[in-house]
Amino acid sequence: DTEVTQTPKHLVMGMTNKKSLKCEQHMGHRAMYWYKQKAKKPPELMFVYSYEKLSINESVPSRFSPECPNSSLLNLHLHALQPEDSALYLCASSRTTGQRAGNTIYFGEGSWLTVV
Amino acid sequence: GEDVEQSLFLSVREGDSSVINCTYTDSSSTYLYWYKQEPGAGLQLLTYIFSNMDMKQDQRLTVLLNKKDKHLSLRIADTQTGDSAIYFCAESYNTDKLIFGTGTRLQVFP
Repeated sequence: DTEVTQTPKHLVMGMTNKKSLKCEQHMGHRAMYWYKQKAKKPPELMFVYSYEKLSINESVPSRFSPECPNSSLLNLHLHALQPEDSALYLCASSRTTGQRAGNTIYFGEGSWLTVV
Repeated sequence: GEDVEQSLFLSVREGDSSVINCTYTDSSSTYLYWYKQEPGAGLQLLTYIFSNMDMKQDQRLTVLLNKKDKHLSLRIADTQTGDSAIYFCAESYNTDKLIFGTGTRLQVFP
């Protein structure tokens, strides 16, 4: 099972709403990631969790709040977003952190977010 | 993607070979990757190459790395319509951050 599952697949929210994106993997991976991808652009790293602890925050605005409740789950809490935050949000996981052979990063199908 | 450049579009006939090129800037990159993204889908890792290798072959895929010119290419043999997608190269250098290229849209026509 090499699957990263993201829910919901599509989300429309108002600028005053609070919502969450969820990500789950059952591969025993200890590193999980959030990437943001705007239309016709490459993905950009937002956050990295290693062993349930936040290890990288790429200067993401505080209206995005990540949470890693356990080694299989990764959430992204959304509050007071702007229309320019509309994008595809990709979750990924890997066996561990650090670039080495065999440490493949697996991506989910993404959550399409529209902020109105 | 500003440090990793790819041509935007490639069109090939079914059965021909496709070659997708990528130019990166960080000579300290340790791993270089190729990902495939189909419309409305996430990223699928196709293959990767370690920076001390020149070539890697995996079935229909051949990756060539020219470290001197910081040039990476992906050759797809016997290209099929199912190969139509956007292809991203990505680099990393001993961190957990993948820097993706601008993406190349491959269109395969019968």
